[in-house]
Amino acid sequence: QVTLKESGPVLVKPTETLTLTCTVSGFSLSDAGMGVGWIRQPPGGALEWLAQIFSRDETSDTTSLKNRLTISKDPSKSQVVLTMTNMDPADTATYYCARMGVSLFGGFDFWGQGILVTVSS
Amino acid sequence: EIVLTQSPGTLSLSPGERATLSCRASQSLRYSYLAWYQQKPGQAPRFLIYGASNRATGIPDRFNGSGSGTDFTLTISRLEPEDFAVYYCQQYDNSHRTFGQGTRVEIK
Repeated sequence: QVTLKESGPVLVKPTETLTLTCTVSGFSLSDAGMGVGWIRQPPGGALEWLAQIFSRDETSDTTSLKNRLTISKDPSKSQVVLTMTNMDPADTATYYCARMGVSLFGGFDFWGQGILVTVSS
Repeated sequence: EIVLTQSPGTLSLSPGERATLSCRASQSLRYSYLAWYQQKPGQAPRFLIYGASNRATGIPDRFNGSGSGTDFTLTISRLEPEDFAVYYCQQYDNSHRTFGQGTRVEIK
């Protein structure tokens, strides 16, 4: 079955760079039409799309974070990596990775459990 | 960026009642690529609807999505106790995805 799991630090300091890894199973990051996205949710807040990457390495990321994001993948490890620079307490949130397709099937159909990242000195 | 506005913010209803949730886009979704998700406290979102009106695998038929252009609706025909949650819409009509701010469906 399809599973995704986020891993990384749960506590980072302001100005540090956050690196999160999403490890997937049940599908391949090389499968045509498959992608993985990152979404975050501050405590008590709404979902916010961050970035996504598809099988041919096409990427997109939110403009609201002003070039702080980088997304990449390693199909041999079944991993997608998100880095976010210059972390701020306002970036405290649960970070999710989720599988997505293309065209009509571009919604996020399977989600990881999420990882709560706290930004504090 | 396409902004999605959900209304109402909170819906207070009793089990068995019908819930109607709205999602309005700031510009027309040419392909009606809109999804709906359900989220319960402490859980990841659950995929409900894609392409505005297609139920995802395993989703009960009391959940129905409709709409096109800028106006979309999620209807829950008869609320079950497990349906009380927060619901989000999300557009994937362009490469920059966006979510609405959510509608909370609470027990009256």
